[in-house]
Amino acid sequence: EAQVTQNPRYLITVTGKKLTVTCSQNMNHEYMSWYRQDPGLGLRQIYYSMNVEVTDKGDVPEGYKVSRKEKRNFPLILESPSPNQTSLYFCASTELAGGTDTQYFGPGTRLTVL
Amino acid sequence: AQKITQTQPGMFVQEKEAVTLDCTYDTSDQSYGLFWYKQPSSGEMIFLIYQGSYDEQNATEGRYSLNFQKARKSANLVISASQLGDSAMYFCAMREITSGTYKYIFGTGTRLKVLA
Repeated sequence: EAQVTQNPRYLITVTGKKLTVTCSQNMNHEYMSWYRQDPGLGLRQIYYSMNVEVTDKGDVPEGYKVSRKEKRNFPLILESPSPNQTSLYFCASTELAGGTDTQYFGPGTRLTVL
Repeated sequence: AQKITQTQPGMFVQEKEAVTLDCTYDTSDQSYGLFWYKQPSSGEMIFLIYQGSYDEQNATEGRYSLNFQKARKSANLVISASQLGDSAMYFCAMREITSGTYKYIFGTGTRLKVLA
């Protein structure tokens, strides 16, 4: 089954404790992306990757890191989480040669930073 | 400046009636893509429909159609024969290509409630 998986689905942590949210896709898509969703603000792009070893900042990259060492994986790293990073996070992947560039989303990770 | 504007934070529609969710966009690109996603209360993002900037016909997918008016920069979603299961948050999004990279921009969403 074609899918994007994220782990963990729920996480409660404390300020300053480094964490990683994993994202994996099995569709061999070139493009992967991370978003955060906050009430009233919609989804905002954090980082994206056009292919392996190619990453770039989205609209809200501060406080986040990513890496793309393999095509299927795109982890999101919070080196020192703060309460303003409490949010719902989505990973997505896109087949760039597919014509419509439709994004397929993971199930989301709800993060709470105390 | 907002690139995707959804001016309706919330809407109600009677079951079996049609409803239009508004979306306007702003871009200087000639080639772009427009999307609509549904987010039910369970939280997942469900792709509904896509319209390319060069597509001359409005996109349709079952009960969903996209009313694309390029000159007005609008991409409204029309849901025909609303069902109770259509109650959800709906997001309009745009794909831009800038310096060879792809960026996706989302609106703030419209929460639709279908009434029995």
